[in-house]
Amino acid sequence: AQSVTQLDSQVPVFEEAPVELRCNYSSSVSVYLFWYVQYPNQGLQLLLKYLSGSTLVKGINGFEAEFNKSQTSFHLRKPSVHISDTAEYFCAVSFSGGYNKLIFGAGTRLAVHP
Amino acid sequence: DVKVTQSSRYLVKRTGEKVFLECVQDMDHENMFWYRQDPGLGLRLIYFSYDVKMKEKGDIPEGYSVSREKKERFSLILESASTNQTSMYLCASRYRDYEQFFGPGTRLTVL
Repeated sequence: AQSVTQLDSQVPVFEEAPVELRCNYSSSVSVYLFWYVQYPNQGLQLLLKYLSGSTLVKGINGFEAEFNKSQTSFHLRKPSVHISDTAEYFCAVSFSGGYNKLIFGAGTRLAVHP
Repeated sequence: DVKVTQSSRYLVKRTGEKVFLECVQDMDHENMFWYRQDPGLGLRLIYFSYDVKMKEKGDIPEGYSVSREKKERFSLILESASTNQTSMYLCASRYRDYEQFFGPGTRLTVL
């Protein structure tokens, strides 16, 4: 079965430190990959996406992610976080075929401390 | 900017009531989706629609139905609300294979 695993449910980090949020998926078919962010009491906002081409993808708010096909991973990184980055982050994968439904990971809560 | 709106941010209903959650998008998107979000489970797809009057079951359709009479509007219906349907409900729309755009969510409490 196709699945998405976010390896950390919570990530505490100090302000200005680097952060990596990990995402792995299981699939033998082509995929599209997404990271969404959810701020408190809001809907989801797209941070970045991988559809094809360069495996290093840059998104909004200084975030980037790298698609690693051999390890079936799509980890999200930021070199220096701010308090305002405190939010929940969701990795999502769209598998080819059918109606390209999105499968979401369980989410990672990033808590940035001063 | 794409805008997806949901009729209520917070809703409190009693067990057994019929509940309607409305979603409207303003970008003429073909595809619309309803998810529920629960802590530790991420988002789970309830139903989606790829065109007017067309619908497909998602991963957890039991206890829910949907209606799409117009392209811009997608309604989620709880025929007889139960306490285990207390959750955050998120609507999304998408143009073909591109990313999904989400509404702000409706937090439903069933007492």
